Parts: sequence; C-alpha cells; structure tokens
Amino acid sequence: GAGVSQTPSNKVTEKGKYVELRCDPISGHTALYWYRQSLGQGPEFLIYFQGTGAADDSGLPNDRFFAVRPEGSVSTLKIQRTERGDSAVYLCASSQRRITDTQYFGPGTRLTVL
Amino acid sequence: KNEVEQSPQNLTAQEGEFITINCSYSVGISALHWLQQHPGGGIVSLFMLSSGKKKHGRLIATINIQEKHSSLHITASHPRDSAVYICAVPYNTDKLIFGTGTRLQVFP
Repeated sequence: GAGVSQTPSNKVTEKGKYVELRCDPISGHTALYWYRQSLGQGPEFLIYFQGTGAADDSGLPNDRFFAVRPEGSVSTLKIQRTERGDSAVYLCASSQRRITDTQYFGPGTRLTVL
Repeated sequence: KNEVEQSPQNLTAQEGEFITINCSYSVGISALHWLQQHPGGGIVSLFMLSSGKKKHGRLIATINIQEKHSSLHITASHPRDSAVYICAVPYNTDKLIFGTGTRLQVFP
C-alpha cells in the first residue's frame, strides 16, 4: 500500500501569511507525529496524535502553530502569521500504535517564508 | 545539553570499508531507532531495537541499555550508503528525540 504522503512538497509564502500543511498517514495507523527539521539539524518533535486527539502538543513552538486530525487519519498542520524563522522542512510520520513501533516518514514539506 | 549525541558528525570512507556510527543517550528508554535520510529529505527506518543486536543485509545495529549506547555498523560500504544516519529515542512514551545525525560519504 501507499506510504505516508505530504502535500505540498514545497511551499513558499510571505511573512505574515497563513499556511496549511497536509499529512496523509498509512491507512490504519493510529499514531501520527509532526516534526520540524532545520538545515543541518535532526528533526524536532512538534505534536503527536493518537487517533483524533492530540496526545502531546508540547513541541509546538507557540500559539501560531496548530494541528488537527478530525477523523483520525489525515492531519493538517496550520501556521498563522508566518515568520522567517518558521522556514524548515516539516515532516510527518505515522506508526501502527506506539512510538516503539516502526516509524514511517513522509517526504516532508519544505516551507520557505520570505 | 543534547539528550541524544552521535559521533562522528561527518564520516568519509572508501568503498568496501567497515563503518561504525555511535549514539549515546542520557534518558531512560525502552527502544532506540536508527534512521537513514537521503539528500532530498526522505527518512527511512532502518532498525528499532531494545536489546542485543539486529542485522539486515550489510547493516548491523547493537545496543547496550546499561551503558546507554548504540552503534550502527555498515560492512562492505558502498557509495549508495551515502546518507545521513540518525538515531532517535522515545521520550515520555509519545515522542522521539533525535540525534543531529552522522553524514556519511562513501567514495568509489
């Protein structure tokens, strides 16, 4: 079956704009994770969903960031009033149930804020 | 202080060489992931291990839970092994903490 998909693959926006990044996990995976990766760094945790609920959103940097997963499958990461420092690759991953299950990563969305 | 540290940060090798990448962590864990990231960003899970050793083809991963240390070995390295290798550990049962990665380049 299909792996984790993310859209768009690239997003260029202007400072102050609103963006939405989409993640389509592997069918049947209840756990979904968003990470952010800056150039030359390892990914950093943003938020974890178990089913429809955000089980841990402690990695979201501030209240401009918000994520939803209304039906327990597709998730959308929303960034309001984007800033240049938000530029990074946003990665989504899913696993069957738990963090100790194999993680399947999407190709990422490269966000550039001008 | 980074809770997950990798060494070396950069590694170059000639084709055929045996390669070792190390990962040390400071948090208590139940398992550790080794991941591979190719240029362009795609991340692939190589291993998830909680004890002992796992082998897949030319890749071998070992972990010592007591010493909080894991190693990834590549035997008979090949240019297509060139990538960034990242170790990651679960924290609070619901998130991964990642090392900064080891950039490997294998030359023919």
